[in-house]
Amino acid sequence: DVKVTQSSRYLVKRTGEKVFLECVQDMDHENMFWYRQDPGLGLRLIYFSYDVKMKEKGDIPEGYSVSREKKERFSLILESASTNQTSMYLCASSMEPGQQETQYFGPGTRLLVL
Amino acid sequence: LAKTTQPISMDSYEGQEVNITCSHNNIATNDYITWYQQFPSQGPRFIIQGYKTKVTNEVASLFIPADRKSSTLSLPRVSLSDTAVYYCLVGVPYNTDKLIFGTGTRLQVFP
Repeated sequence: DVKVTQSSRYLVKRTGEKVFLECVQDMDHENMFWYRQDPGLGLRLIYFSYDVKMKEKGDIPEGYSVSREKKERFSLILESASTNQTSMYLCASSMEPGQQETQYFGPGTRLLVL
Repeated sequence: LAKTTQPISMDSYEGQEVNITCSHNNIATNDYITWYQQFPSQGPRFIIQGYKTKVTNEVASLFIPADRKSSTLSLPRVSLSDTAVYYCLVGVPYNTDKLIFGTGTRLQVFP
């Protein structure tokens, strides 16, 4: 089974802090994604990466950055956390482009910014 | 962008068949239709994917009419454990900026 793990299930941070959310997948997938999920808004794509050191902006990249130094690891960085970034953050991975794609999701990190 | 429209919520009883319809009027030729299921406090989980006609697996069936402007996820004989949010996605898998999850359909199954 594909496994996508996220470093924390719950996280509490203060406004202005730099926050790192880590995601690791064990299936040698090319693509990795970061989403946030908010009530009434569904899942929204923040950033994605289709290869090591490559990244593309999703729908809502403002206030976030990402890092992919190794194929299995994709980090989401909140440079200066704000209260409107309180959300559930979901990481996903999928196989290389061009194939019917299934995204495999991690369990999520619920972030509270005070 | 291939936007999708689903009912916000549906109720059912155990043992019934549930059909959730998704509208995607501007689906493109290369787009696939994919459905995910999400339980509370978990990430979404792939259920089924199709391009046209009918697809069936051990979990569900997916019906896609010839014009492909809508699709229907069919869950046979639901149980309480099928209570979840169901998302319909339309897009070319590698064009990830087109993979819009939307708000999904919240299915509540009652005993």
